[in-house]
Amino acid sequence: DVKVTQSSRYLVKRTGEKVFLECVQDMDHENMFWYRQDPGLGLRLIYFSYDVKMKEKGDIPEGYSVSREKKERFSLILESASTNQTSMYLCASSPGLAGQETQYFGPGTRLLVL
Amino acid sequence: GENVEQHPSTLSVQEGDSAVIKCTYSDSASNYFPWYKQELGKGPQLIIDIRSNVGEKKDQRIAVTLNKTAKHFSLHITETQPEDSAVYFCAASPSRGYQKVTFGTGTKLQVIP
Repeated sequence: DVKVTQSSRYLVKRTGEKVFLECVQDMDHENMFWYRQDPGLGLRLIYFSYDVKMKEKGDIPEGYSVSREKKERFSLILESASTNQTSMYLCASSPGLAGQETQYFGPGTRLLVL
Repeated sequence: GENVEQHPSTLSVQEGDSAVIKCTYSDSASNYFPWYKQELGKGPQLIIDIRSNVGEKKDQRIAVTLNKTAKHFSLHITETQPEDSAVYFCAASPSRGYQKVTFGTGTKLQVIP
């Protein structure tokens, strides 16, 4: 079974802190994604990566950056956390062409920024 | 870019009844339409998908229909069971290069025993 793991299920951070969310997949997938999930807004793509060291902006990249140094690991960085970044963050991975294959999601990280 | 609208946002049905969730999309280049189910405390999981070369696809109690002319697609769940209670997301994606999937806003389905 494909497994996507996220470093934390719950995080509480203070405004202005630098926050790292880590995601690891064990199926050698080319593509990895970071989404945020908010009530009434569905899943919104922050960034995705189709190869090591490659990244593409999604719909809401402002305030975020990403890093993919190894194929299995994709990190989301909040440079200076703000209260409006309180949300559920979901990581996903997929093989092949980014938009045309099944995405496998991790369980999510619920981030609270105080 | 692509815009996917999903309705209704919440849906309650009696166990055994059918449930229908509808989505529309804007980009005529979209040709892949997956549906994901998210149970409480878990990430979304693919339950069925359809590509634009077919109009309908079934898998046991679930089916998806696609009308490319009208740019809408629907999820049908028959003989609903309590374990069908979850949030369902539709999505659309074009086939051009490294294109992303655009998700709908989700439908919370409650199946009442």
